[in-house]
Amino acid sequence: SQQGEEDPQALSIQEGENATMNCSYKTSINNLQWYRQNSGRGLVHLILIRSNEREKHSGRLRVTLDTSKKSSSLLITASRAADTASYFCATDGTSGSRLTFGEGTQLTVNP
Amino acid sequence: NAGVMQNPRHLVRRRGQEARLRCSPMKGHSHVYWYRQLPEEGLKFMVYLQKENIIDESGMPKERFSAEFPKEGPSILRIQQVVRGDSAAYFCASSQQGALGNTIYFGEGSWLTVV
Repeated sequence: SQQGEEDPQALSIQEGENATMNCSYKTSINNLQWYRQNSGRGLVHLILIRSNEREKHSGRLRVTLDTSKKSSSLLITASRAADTASYFCATDGTSGSRLTFGEGTQLTVNP
Repeated sequence: NAGVMQNPRHLVRRRGQEARLRCSPMKGHSHVYWYRQLPEEGLKFMVYLQKENIIDESGMPKERFSAEFPKEGPSILRIQQVVRGDSAAYFCASSQQGALGNTIYFGEGSWLTVV
């Protein structure tokens, strides 16, 4: 089974709109992280939310975590064309030795 | 404060050759991770190392792949006798402590193309 599955796989919106991406996972976690990846580039860390937290904000980003449903959401408000990228959630599971990534959501923000 | 440095950024190898990918972690980081990303897919864990030790190599193919993180110098991911299926982006990441509860910082990746 795959840990950290994002949906939708692809999302296309207009500049100024909000974008919501979801992540589901299967096993217990200690924390969940969201990353952004521009085409051909490395991953940029966006936000980390611990298992005892329910919501976290960072600028235009809002992350929620529902451990009872084993799901998280990433909301980007007032999107910009520069937000166009792939977004991945990653969980650490119980081993603590690595992050497990989902397949990502490809976000396109049209100017 | 340089981030995680990987080189080369792009590497082309013929089938059967060897590929060596290097990673220098962020200053002060002693934990290094290697991930592989196939086109249009997420990152798949390969190996987790601390200085001079392999902690978790459960994601490494059993043959042709090896990794090290010596006391001095960068971490090396080595792929022997490369095949077309090895073509992918290889990302290195580092953290100050283990992944549990800590942010992991990624490099820009090394893109391997096997022709």
